[in-house]
Amino acid sequence: AQSVAQPEDQVNVAEGNPLTVKCTYSVSGNPYLFWYVQYPNRGLQFLLKYITGDNLVKGSYGFEAEFNKSQTSFHLKKPSALVSDSALYFCAVSPRNSGGYQKVTFGIGTKLQVIP
Amino acid sequence: NAGVTQTPKFQVLKTGQSMTLQCAQDMNHEYMSWYRQDPGMGLRLIHYSVGAGITDQGEVPNGYNVSRSTTEDFPLRLLSAAPSQTSVYFCASSYGLAGGPGEQFFGPGTRLTVL
Repeated sequence: AQSVAQPEDQVNVAEGNPLTVKCTYSVSGNPYLFWYVQYPNRGLQFLLKYITGDNLVKGSYGFEAEFNKSQTSFHLKKPSALVSDSALYFCAVSPRNSGGYQKVTFGIGTKLQVIP
Repeated sequence: NAGVTQTPKFQVLKTGQSMTLQCAQDMNHEYMSWYRQDPGMGLRLIHYSVGAGITDQGEVPNGYNVSRSTTEDFPLRLLSAAPSQTSVYFCASSYGLAGGPGEQFFGPGTRLTVL
């Protein structure tokens, strides 16, 4: 069975500082990996995804994530945090098998608080 | 495009009542899913559909029913509401990606309370 771990319930960072939100995963074979963001009282919005190729993936709003196969990690990063980045962030994984629908498993989420 | 729409936004039910949560998408996506979000548990898949007329169970299907008669619509039915079904429900749609899911587009959610 596939799973996602987001080890930090909350991450606090000062505005202008770099931020990292951690994610590790477990899946049979190669993964599809995703990051989503949820602002208060809203649905989730897609940030970025890893399919194959370059281990550094760039996404929306200046976010990027680094795929590390040996450590089974997909940490979300941003060089300079903004107060408006404060939100709930979800990592998600799906197995890369051929054909058919592949279920996506989400982590429990990490609350990012950017302090002015 | 409206994207993914959900109705109602809020609902309060009494134990034993039934209701249908509506979901519609106008992006011609083949895949649609229902999730519930509970504190400390992330999003859990209830049911999903890979196309009109095809549905399957997710991680937590008990107490819920779905159907997909058109590409656009994917309603979720609560058969006999229980307090354990108090949650926020999200509908999502996506295109296929080489046999797997592309990025999902989420609706705004329905906040359900069962008394």
